Amino acid sequence: AQSVTQLGSHVSVSEGALVLLRCNYSSSVPPYLFWYVQYPNQGLQLLLKYTSAATLVKGINGFEAEFKKSETSFHLTKPSAHMSDAAEYFCAVRSGTSYGKLTFGQGTILTVHP
Amino acid sequence: EPEVTQTPSHQVTQMGQEVILRCVPISNHLYFYWYRQILGQKVEFLVSFYNNEISEKSEIFDDQFSVERPDGSNFTLKIRSTKLEDSAMYFCASSDGAGGGTDTQYFGPGTRLTVL
Repeated sequence: AQSVTQLGSHVSVSEGALVLLRCNYSSSVPPYLFWYVQYPNQGLQLLLKYTSAATLVKGINGFEAEFKKSETSFHLTKPSAHMSDAAEYFCAVRSGTSYGKLTFGQGTILTVHP
Repeated sequence: EPEVTQTPSHQVTQMGQEVILRCVPISNHLYFYWYRQILGQKVEFLVSFYNNEISEKSEIFDDQFSVERPDGSNFTLKIRSTKLEDSAMYFCASSDGAGGGTDTQYFGPGTRLTVL
């Protein structure tokens, strides 16, 4: 069985500060990992995904995530937060069957203060 | 840019009534999914659909639920007799199947279902 844990349901940062959103996964087989973002009244949008080609993955809007197998983690970072980054962020894992279901974490709401 | 659309954005129904949630996936996609998110809880997988049949379903997806692709564009989720606990945001997603395990699922904006 696969699972995802996101540490911190709410994270608050100042504009310009580092953003760090934590995600730990559990999977019995090599995982495929994803970060999605949800802006108010919109669907889930893919930020980035781990394809096993590189452990450091760059995504849209300046976000990146590093896959650390030894720590079973896939934390999302951005060096400098913008007000427009305020949203809910979801980490998800897929393992086993290709094209199969995503298993999501509980989400982290990011608030950016001026 | 192509996107997944869902209608209605908000559906209010009485307990015991049937509801149909509609989705239009991205046109060249082959795999279709429904997820739901009860307020304050995780996004949960309900069902996946490929080649006109269910490929995987969760324990949530019991006999009260069904999915259909009635034509070449729509993908629907039917709840036969709604319960209070069915109140949630329902997301439709689709993927083209080209990327194997890293295949990206594209999500619609969701339908908020409220059962009274």
